[in-house]
Amino acid sequence: EAGVVQSPRYKIIEKKQPVAFWCNPISGHNTLYWYRQNLGQGPELLIRYENEEAVDDSQLPKDRFSAERLKGVDSTLKIQPAELGDSAVYLCASSRPGTANTGELFFGEGSRLTVL
Amino acid sequence: EDQVTQSPEALRLQEGESSSLNCSYTVSGLRGLFWYRQDPGKGPEFLFTLYSAGEEKEKERLKATLTKKESFLHITAPKPEDSATYLCAVQARGAQKLVFGQGTRLTINP
Repeated sequence: EAGVVQSPRYKIIEKKQPVAFWCNPISGHNTLYWYRQNLGQGPELLIRYENEEAVDDSQLPKDRFSAERLKGVDSTLKIQPAELGDSAVYLCASSRPGTANTGELFFGEGSRLTVL
Repeated sequence: EDQVTQSPEALRLQEGESSSLNCSYTVSGLRGLFWYRQDPGKGPEFLFTLYSAGEEKEKERLKATLTKKESFLHITAPKPEDSATYLCAVQARGAQKLVFGQGTRLTINP
């Protein structure tokens, strides 16, 4: 079974520039998550989708961050404009239906963002 | 607010030297506690779920245990390939979100 696919793996941009990350979850996984992981820290949830509906976006900085999951499959996370503090690894994860309480998330390899 | 604190931040062991990693948590009613392994440049990989105090789970050289305030990840006779960052996370009752600790970076020297 193919894993969660993310792109790009690395991105370096100047501050105030826009950036977008793409995620393709495991086939059949209806729940999709975007996490941010700062260096030396654990992941922090930004947004969770159930199919195409964003059911928890309370941690998403909505002034500059946006996300979408068209047709309930692939997802895009966008930052515009980027700030220095946005430098981090952006992780996408997915989970199978009915496993919300098992904690079994499948993570992609992440997109490492550096803002100069 | 739900919190997870892991200790130590980093641990260096010799191959075969057993030890334990600690995960202390405060949560408004625990639904589950989860352990993940993260290799450099990779996303976290799920290891275990623990639901109630006294529960234990094992996988190869790893054993996870749970009390009402903390969880331990015991590693027995580790090998260099066990080197990774180990992350602990909790989920509160009535919530879907996982709250992660900062991780313990484990290095096993041959």
